[in-house]
Order: sequence, then C-alpha cells, then structure tokens
Amino acid sequence: QKEVEQDPGPLSVPEGAIVSLNCTYSNSAFQYFMWYRQYSRKGPELLMYTYSSGNKEDGRFTAQVDKSSKYISLFIRDSQPSDSATYLCADVDSNYQLIWGAGTKLIIKP
Amino acid sequence: DADVTQTPRNRITKTGKRIMLECSQTKGHDRMYWYRQDPGLGLRLIYYSFDVKDINKGEISDGYSVSRQAQAKFSLSLESAIPNQTALYFCATSGAGDSPDTQYFGPGTRLTVL
Repeated sequence: QKEVEQDPGPLSVPEGAIVSLNCTYSNSAFQYFMWYRQYSRKGPELLMYTYSSGNKEDGRFTAQVDKSSKYISLFIRDSQPSDSATYLCADVDSNYQLIWGAGTKLIIKP
Repeated sequence: DADVTQTPRNRITKTGKRIMLECSQTKGHDRMYWYRQDPGLGLRLIYYSFDVKDINKGEISDGYSVSRQAQAKFSLSLESAIPNQTALYFCATSGAGDSPDTQYFGPGTRLTVL
C-alpha cells in the first residue's frame, strides 16, 4: 500500500531558526516528490518539487530525498513569521495522482 | 481575479439535505479534482476528471457525485449530507501531460453538516 507519513505538529520555532520538515514514503512509482504550502484559510500551493535522490535548493528552501531511508525533507533557513503555514508533502503514484501526507503545521515565533 | 474559484466559501446544512459545491477555472486546464481535507488526515481525493467525458472515482467517492459541465466547470454533490461529511473541500486543476504536473487549488469550501 502506498503511503506518505507526516507528523501533523504543530512545530513551533523562533524566528531565524533552521526548520526541518520530514515525511516518509513506502513505495514510490516515480521518485517524484512535491512540497505544498498552505496558509490559513487558503488552498495549498506548490512550493518545490524534487526528483529521485539529492537536494534541490530555492532561496531559503531546500528539498531533500534520501532513497535509502525513504525520507523526504524540507529545510527552511532563516525562518520568518511569514513562513508560518501548513506544509504538505506528496508523492506521485503510477496513475499520476498525488498521495498526500497529513501536513505539518509550522509556527514561527517573532 | 482568482484562477480557480469555488462557491460557496462556507455552508452550513442539515443532515439529509442535498448540497452542491461548484468550481470554475480560467487556467484552461483539462484536469480537475475534488478533495476533502480533515485535520490530521491531509487531502483525500474524492473524484477527478481528465476531460469533460472522463470522470473517475478517487479514494473516498462514496456519498458523493460529480458533474463536469464544461472544461472550466466541475461540481461536487452530496446527495444526502451526513455529519461526517463536515470538512474543508478543495477543487484543483492541472494541465495535461504525461509527467506529474502541478495542481492549482481553489480557496476551499468549509462545509458543516449538522
């Protein structure tokens, strides 16, 4: 069974801290993973995607996949209060449908 | 203007009532989706449509039906609402293609069934 596990949090950290958000997956068809960000009372929006193993960086955000441990990670450097949101990871199944994690609520305290 | 719109944004109804949630998009996408979001459970797919003549059940279609009236419109109906259908409902769209593609979400409809 395909699953993506994600701790719902909340995760509360002080402004400026490095944030690590994690998901684990079971069986991935394409090794193609996405991170979506969802602000309160809004729909999710794509933040980053990453393919196979390794890192992908976009400004303060880094997405990482570790195939050996089946871990998907999102790192946020120099976290800001505006980063407070729910972060959802997603895998893509063989029918090109997204398998979603539960989402982690992140709170950045000023 | 928003690319994906949903109406209504909030709805309170009673058990047994028929409810329709509507979604419209101006992105020109062929693919449209309906999800529900519950605390701690993430997003679960209800139905999806790859074009006007293609409708597919998702993970949790029981108790729901859909209609794809046009490329830009995709409606979700609850024929006889029950309290455990209380949730946040999202419509999403994506462009056609063989590779995984980005989904664009509407603002959501908060539905409460009493």
